[in-house]
Amino acid sequence: GQQVMQIPQYQHVQEGEDFTTYCNSSTTLSNIQWYKQRPGGHPVFLIQLVKSGEVKKQKRLTFQFGEAKKNSSLHITATQTTDVGTYFCAGRTKTSYDKVIFGPGTSLSVIP
Amino acid sequence: NAGVTQTPKFQVLKTGQSMTLQCAQDMNHEYMSWYRQDPGMGLRLIHYSVGAGITDQGEVPNGYNVSRSTTEDFPLRLLSAAPSQTSVYFCASREDRRYGYTFGSGTRLTVV
Repeated sequence: GQQVMQIPQYQHVQEGEDFTTYCNSSTTLSNIQWYKQRPGGHPVFLIQLVKSGEVKKQKRLTFQFGEAKKNSSLHITATQTTDVGTYFCAGRTKTSYDKVIFGPGTSLSVIP
Repeated sequence: NAGVTQTPKFQVLKTGQSMTLQCAQDMNHEYMSWYRQDPGMGLRLIHYSVGAGITDQGEVPNGYNVSRSTTEDFPLRLLSAAPSQTSVYFCASREDRRYGYTFGSGTRLTVV
């Protein structure tokens, strides 16, 4: 079945450093979504990418969708303590109507 | 506009008991899903629905039932609780596949 993987599992950075998390799917995706979950909270939707090679930016966050639509990345420039949390990618294949599968997440800690 | 409301927030069950986790949304969203979250495993899809009367299985459907008699409500039933079902359960909804999911605040379930 469809599998979504993410690396790294954990990342500790000094405040001001950059951070990147990578997402890989075992199957071609129709689209990829990214969510952020703060400790003790619920996932919050950040963005959805649909097109092959698509790049989208939200302030210090840059999201990419691979050309083959099987991988994606989230890059945060100059991390802040407010960036702390777990970042999940989630994807749906073309054959599934709305079966959105999440990766295991990357937990980001920011040292002030 | 309350968004996605889950009840109860906390529940302790004995092995073999049954119960229903409630999920209601007031955004007139067609798509709804149930996920469970366990440490280090991200969110795993239990069941999902693309409209009233239409449900389908996710990654880990065994031991759970769902029904969708109205657009607003998507209850999750545990038939005979087992300790392996101890988890945090999230309900989520979205208008359609162009948008991301809005998550409820979760139900923390412990089965003893």
